Amino acid sequence: DTEVTQTPKHLVMGMTNKKSLKCEQHMGHRAMYWYKQKAKKPPELMFVYSYEKLSINESVPSRFSPECPNSSLLNLHLHALQPEDSALYLCASSQDLPSGRYFGPGTRLTVT
Amino acid sequence: QQQVKQSPQSLIVQKGGISIINCAYENTAFDYFPWYQQFPGKGPALLIAIRPDVSEKKEGRFTISFNKSAKQFSLHIMDSQPGDSATYFCAAKVSGGYNKLIFGAGTRLAVHP
Repeated sequence: DTEVTQTPKHLVMGMTNKKSLKCEQHMGHRAMYWYKQKAKKPPELMFVYSYEKLSINESVPSRFSPECPNSSLLNLHLHALQPEDSALYLCASSQDLPSGRYFGPGTRLTVT
Repeated sequence: QQQVKQSPQSLIVQKGGISIINCAYENTAFDYFPWYQQFPGKGPALLIAIRPDVSEKKEGRFTISFNKSAKQFSLHIMDSQPGDSATYFCAAKVSGGYNKLIFGAGTRLAVHP
């Protein structure tokens, strides 16, 4: 099973809202990632978790807050977003940091 | 330099033809080169990958050719089908650190019937 699941599939939120994106994998992978993808562009790395610890924050604004409750789950908490934050948010996982990454289907986020 | 240059930006191929997408890099610290296929509204799917000690890898209709001395690698899709129409991203993984994955800009492939 090489599946990474993400919920919700679509999310519309106002700039004052607080919402969360969820990601789950049951492949026993120990590295998990959040990416942001704008239309017609490649994915951009936001955060890296390795063994449930935040390894990398790619200078992401504090209105994005990641959380890794356990080795299978990854959340992205959103607060006070801007319209330019509208994008496809992708979760990915890999066996470990050097291994190939498997992406989830993404959450299409629209900030109004 | 941590860049991967991908070409062409878009590609139109007739059904049954060969689709060829090229990528070039400069950083010799890359140690893993995956290709991703992405359909509209979906996440990228890992299609095929190669390590620099191998010159070619084939999986079904998909082949990666790797030229270490030229720092180039390419994806060949044989017998291209309309269902192959998607955006393809090459990528290169940096060895060590947190093993950052550098993506090419993407190629939009359209296979016409």
